[in-house]
Amino acid sequence: AQKITQTQPGMFVQEKEAVTLDCTYDTSDPSYGLFWYKQPSSGEMIFLIYQGSYDQQNATEGRYSLNFQKARKSANLVISASQLGDSAMYFCAMREGPTGANSKLTFGKGITLSVRP
Amino acid sequence: NAGVTQTPKFQVLKTGQSMTLQCAQDMNHEYMSWYRQDPGMGLRLIHYSVGAGITDQGEVPNGYNVSRSTTEDFPLRLLSAAPSQTSVYFCASSYSAWESLFTDTQYFGPGTRLTVL
Repeated sequence: AQKITQTQPGMFVQEKEAVTLDCTYDTSDPSYGLFWYKQPSSGEMIFLIYQGSYDQQNATEGRYSLNFQKARKSANLVISASQLGDSAMYFCAMREGPTGANSKLTFGKGITLSVRP
Repeated sequence: NAGVTQTPKFQVLKTGQSMTLQCAQDMNHEYMSWYRQDPGMGLRLIHYSVGAGITDQGEVPNGYNVSRSTTEDFPLRLLSAAPSQTSVYFCASSYSAWESLFTDTQYFGPGTRLTVL
């Protein structure tokens, strides 16, 4: 079974609107971390947001928030007030195990987001 | 701080040739890793290191060697390149458990685009 699943086809959103990018994960480890990265057409991987499995609140970083539903094993990324510069590929990733013990990441296949003016 | 640097940015090899992809970081990170990115596959872990002198295999280690003689450098060696190794290679680094951060967020280099003919 895939550990990280991103099944949405290419996503389109109108500028200034909000968009949700879906991510579901599979792990039996009670301690894990979830990450979202952005990859623009230039190719670099840019860290956006992190959610720990024991965190009580959903993570937020500026216009990015993570809708963490532990029982459903989902960690959806919400981008508010989309900008043209948000057009990119977005990857969800997971670290299994406690912080520091194992930093290996498993990535999903990514979702392409296009922001329309 | 230069962050994570990778050289070269582009490389074309013939089947059977060898080469080394360089990766360096100036953030005193203990954890470093190499990923490859193929279309439709997301990023997959090749090798990783939790500190100088310590390396281990990731998900797709065959055909690659690594060493970690210093904290700063983590080169990836292709001993006999094959067309199946055509990919984009990313190096990443993160803090260890000895730091006071609890996310293990990995920071990526700009990538090396490798083509094997």
